Amino acid sequence: DAEITQSPRHKITETGRQVTLACHQTWNHNNMFWYRQDLGHGLRLIHYSYGVQDTNKGEVSDGYSVSRSNTEDLPLTLESAASSQTSVYFCASSAQSAGELFFGEGSRLTVL
Amino acid sequence: QQPVQSPQAVILREGEDAVINCSSSKALYSVHWYRQKHGEAPVFLMILLKGGEQKGHDKISASFNEKKQQSSLYLTASQLSYSGTYFCGTDPTGNQFYFGTGTSLTVIP
Repeated sequence: DAEITQSPRHKITETGRQVTLACHQTWNHNNMFWYRQDLGHGLRLIHYSYGVQDTNKGEVSDGYSVSRSNTEDLPLTLESAASSQTSVYFCASSAQSAGELFFGEGSRLTVL
Repeated sequence: QQPVQSPQAVILREGEDAVINCSSSKALYSVHWYRQKHGEAPVFLMILLKGGEQKGHDKISASFNEKKQQSSLYLTASQLSYSGTYFCGTDPTGNQFYFGTGTSLTVIP
C-alpha cells in the first residue's frame, strides 16, 4: 500500500545543532507540506512544495529549510536548532489542488 | 492566515449533536475538515469546494459560506468514536492549507 513515512519518530537534540527530519511518500503526489503542532496553536504551515525543485515558505518558516530533489521526499532541516523549535512535526502530501491531505505519523523533536 | 475555530472545546453525551465553526479573514478556494485522535496524525473527514461541491464522510456534514468565508461541521447523533480534536483547514489559493487551532470534542457515555 502507498504510504507516507516520517523519520525519526522521536529525536532529542541540543541547541545549535543541525537536525533533518525525513518525509517519504510513495503515492507520487506532487504536493508536500510540513507542519508543526504546538498546544494552543494547532497545525502551522512551515514549508510546502508543488513539485520537484519547487519550495515555498509557509507562515512559520524562519529557522527551517526544505529541498525537493525528487517527487517522493521533502526533508525538513533545522539549521541551528532552538528550544522554541521543540514540537511535533507532521509531513503531509496531496495529489492535486484542493485535494485531501495525507499525513505522516509525526516526528516529536525536543531541543534541549 | 490561520482560520479561527469555535468553540475551543465541547463535551457531549452519546447521541447528542454538535456544531463546530471555522472562519477565515481571506477568500477561500476550499475548506477541509480533519479529526485527530491523541498521539495520532490528523485524518481527513471532508472537503468543501468553492461552488458547493463536497467530498467526504457519509456520517458528518458541513456547510461552506463562500461570501462570509465560513464553514461549519455538523456532527449528529455523536458516538464515542467521534472524540478527538477537529481541525478546519482553509485554502485561499487552491494549494495552501492553513489550519485552525482546533476544537476538542469529548463524547461521554
